[in-house]
Amino acid sequence: EVQLVESGGGLVQPGGSLRLSCAASGFTFTSHWMSWVRQAPGKGLEWVANIKPDGSEKYYVDSVRGRFTISRDNAKNSIYLQMNSLRAEDTALYYCARDDDMAWGLWGLGTLVTVSS
Amino acid sequence: QSALTQPRSVSGSPGQSVAISCTGTGSDVGGYRFISWYQQHPGKTPKLIIYDVTKRPSGIPDRFSGSKSGNTASLTISGLQAEDEADYYCSSNPGTYKVFGGGTQLTVL
Repeated sequence: EVQLVESGGGLVQPGGSLRLSCAASGFTFTSHWMSWVRQAPGKGLEWVANIKPDGSEKYYVDSVRGRFTISRDNAKNSIYLQMNSLRAEDTALYYCARDDDMAWGLWGLGTLVTVSS
Repeated sequence: QSALTQPRSVSGSPGQSVAISCTGTGSDVGGYRFISWYQQHPGKTPKLIIYDVTKRPSGIPDRFSGSKSGNTASLTISGLQAEDEADYYCSSNPGTYKVFGGGTQLTVL
């Protein structure tokens, strides 16, 4: 089955860290850029970061650059998002998404990150 | 990296057509063909319905169509159905970053 499954979300205090994971299956993982997209409660979608198939290029939205790091392990068909110095405004449902022809054709169900004291 | 501008809400009756606009700049919407649209029902995952301005993924009915003129892209839904009631987001992929619109809530009256 073609799917993306995120994990690693939870409650964390401001200034803390969290690492999200996304496991891909059912397609050729090494052929695709992969992205993290987030959605704050009751708000719209926001692209967070993406990574090239071989991991050699990574891009970030301005608000997370320097705090978040995207990575991938092609042997495990997985991508990750290391989130440091977390802020209340990072609270959101974090989706893993597959880049298809410059659009996101496959999404996971998301993992919820709550930053609160 | 500014968000694209969409109307907060639109509405239409069953069978009618509605259009949702998505306005950016020459650096995003106006300069690239990588415009996509997503449908999101409450509590559900976003679903790709249009990519490359006008293309529909397999399984998306031809009631959904996309277009672009200058710095504004549009999604048109014809023959509105009750199940079309959802939030719709546009996105532009101008290169090293990607940006979404703020989202439009479609109500089917």
